[in-house]
Amino acid sequence: KAGVTQTPRYLIKTRGQQVTLSCSPISGHRSVSWYQQTPGQGLQFLFEYFSETQRNKGNFPGRFSGRQFSNSRSEMNVSTLELGDSALYLCASSLDLSSYNSPLHFGNGTRLTVT
Amino acid sequence: TQLLEQSPQFLSIQEGENLTVYCNSSSVFSSLQWYRQEPGEGPVLLVTVVTGGEVKKLKRLTFQFGDARKDSSLHITAAQPGDTGLYLCAGVFAGNNRKLIWGLGTSLAVNP
Repeated sequence: KAGVTQTPRYLIKTRGQQVTLSCSPISGHRSVSWYQQTPGQGLQFLFEYFSETQRNKGNFPGRFSGRQFSNSRSEMNVSTLELGDSALYLCASSLDLSSYNSPLHFGNGTRLTVT
Repeated sequence: TQLLEQSPQFLSIQEGENLTVYCNSSSVFSSLQWYRQEPGEGPVLLVTVVTGGEVKKLKRLTFQFGDARKDSSLHITAAQPGDTGLYLCAGVFAGNNRKLIWGLGTSLAVNP
């Protein structure tokens, strides 16, 4: 069974640009969550999608947005990039809305560098 | 404010040594998970604990949930280089709407 696939693995962008990251969940998983990981802040929850609807949202500015398609694939978009957006962006899928009995399966992330 | 504290932040030991890492909070968890993240990869779930006082074993790894469900520990016996990685705990606080709160992790290096 294929795992969670994130593309691209690496991205270098300039301040002010926008970026779109893609995530393909494990087959049959209906929920996709996005996280930002930095050394100083650890994993910070961005949002969770289930059945094409955003079900939970973290404390990030509106520049961060996402969507989920009917096949459960998800994208996240960051507009007007800032230097502080440099991070590892992780996508995780779960069978149902994430909970202790519907655990997260993570992809290997997209490393975004903003210069 | 970090609601979930992990210690130590960094740990470098020799192969064969034992170690314990901790995950603490002043609030009660309804459940807590431990993950390991290797360089260049995403976190992988190791175990979920739900009941106060619960002990779970995964080969040489022993996970314990505190009686009051405010803390947890991970003990590794006879560490091996393959245990190297970032160990993360993540908890759901009682009364929360399932949102996972993450610790900053313990970075473990096991030297051969």
